[in-house]
Amino acid sequence: DIQMTQSPSSLSASVGDRVTITCRASQSISSYLNWYQQKPGKAPKLLIYAASSLQSGVPSRFSGSGSGTDFTLTISSLQPEDFATYYCQQTYSTLWTFGQGTKVEIK
Amino acid sequence: QVQLVESGGGLVKPGGSLRLSCAASGFTFSDYYMNWIRQAPGKGLEWVSYISSSSSYTNYADSVKGRFTISRDNAKNSLYLQMNSLRAEDTAVYYCARMYGEYYGMDVWGQGTTVTVSS
Repeated sequence: DIQMTQSPSSLSASVGDRVTITCRASQSISSYLNWYQQKPGKAPKLLIYAASSLQSGVPSRFSGSGSGTDFTLTISSLQPEDFATYYCQQTYSTLWTFGQGTKVEIK
Repeated sequence: QVQLVESGGGLVKPGGSLRLSCAASGFTFSDYYMNWIRQAPGKGLEWVSYISSSSSYTNYADSVKGRFTISRDNAKNSLYLQMNSLRAEDTAVYYCARMYGEYYGMDVWGQGTTVTVSS
């Protein structure tokens, strides 16, 4: 199975900060990498697909980059509604896997 | 509007069975892969299974292979997950989600249904 490792596991940031979350795959997954946002008690929401494509309706302050094994999700200017947990997911192999999540908290 | 609604969750004893359903509306169900994803209390997301648009291909996480069966009825716009030989570690919120293809991410999710496995 392909393991997905996110870092950090949690971070504290202020409104307006630039935030970067990384996701590393245990083997190359080309660009088959998605990012999701989840708020407590809610279903996840797709932010980025195919490593860098912004899902329709998602604010442009979210961006994704990377290919192969190393990927990043960047929030250019953190907004109050962005405090949540973020997950990466690979859909390259036949067994799809999520990262363990990164919780973004208010500083 | 585009919507997925799960049902069928509940309390079941270890070794028991449960069948989850996911009703789709507002889109052409037969155009999409469908998935089940679960989240144990206080834990992260775990992909469970997917089924291709025509049911020709299915796949399962190792943790449920041989115990769970995914299926769909395109005429009824419905997705199912038959869960047998349930274990305490299967306790989770189960979500269904659609996906246009492996490259496109899961763009619509249901609200989830809770499965609790306990004696």
